Amino acid sequence: GAGVSQSPSNKVTEKGKDVELRCDPISGHTALYWYRQRLGQGLEFLIYFQGNSAPDKSGLPSDRFSAERTGESVSTLTIQRTQQEDSAVYLCASSKTSGASLETQYFGPGTRLLVL
Amino acid sequence: GQQLNQSPQSMFIQEGEDVSMNCTSSSIFNTWLWYKQDPGEGPVLLIALYKAGELTSNGRLTAQFGITRKDSFLNISASIPSDVGIYFCAGQSGNFNKFYFGSGTKLNVKP
Repeated sequence: GAGVSQSPSNKVTEKGKDVELRCDPISGHTALYWYRQRLGQGLEFLIYFQGNSAPDKSGLPSDRFSAERTGESVSTLTIQRTQQEDSAVYLCASSKTSGASLETQYFGPGTRLLVL
Repeated sequence: GQQLNQSPQSMFIQEGEDVSMNCTSSSIFNTWLWYKQDPGEGPVLLIALYKAGELTSNGRLTAQFGITRKDSFLNISASIPSDVGIYFCAGQSGNFNKFYFGSGTKLNVKP
């Protein structure tokens, strides 16, 4: 079956421009996560969506970062006025559910963002 | 936020050798996870540990959830070239939504 897909796979942009990254989770997965992975480092939690509940935005590094998700489908991560420090791989993951138990997260291949 | 210390940062080993890597935290975790990431791919879950003291195997991989709940190790026995990649530990505590990742152990296997 289809896994988590992300687009674009690579994005090069100029400092100050806005970018929008897309994540298509596995069908039926109610939970969706965004992470940032800087070169040579681990994953940094950004934001979490669970069904129609209010998202957990506690990991977003600044107000230039925002994310949306409609229902249990596609999510978009938007970075406004990009800075060179935003250069990283942005990974999306989805899982069946969350709350009282831990479910396996399935990761997409990531979007590699380079801000010049 | 939570800090996970993962070591070693990188390893160069000969095919057939055993490998061990570990993660420690200053905080207690309820769950430990171990992932492998190949170049250009997202991480893939290898082993999940849910109870202190738990020892779980997945083929040549074995992982343990430390008794103190502040550490975990991953062992790979009889390494093969396809074991090459970056291994990440991740811990989850309290908030089931949030996972904290180590900085990764880069494994290189010489045939």
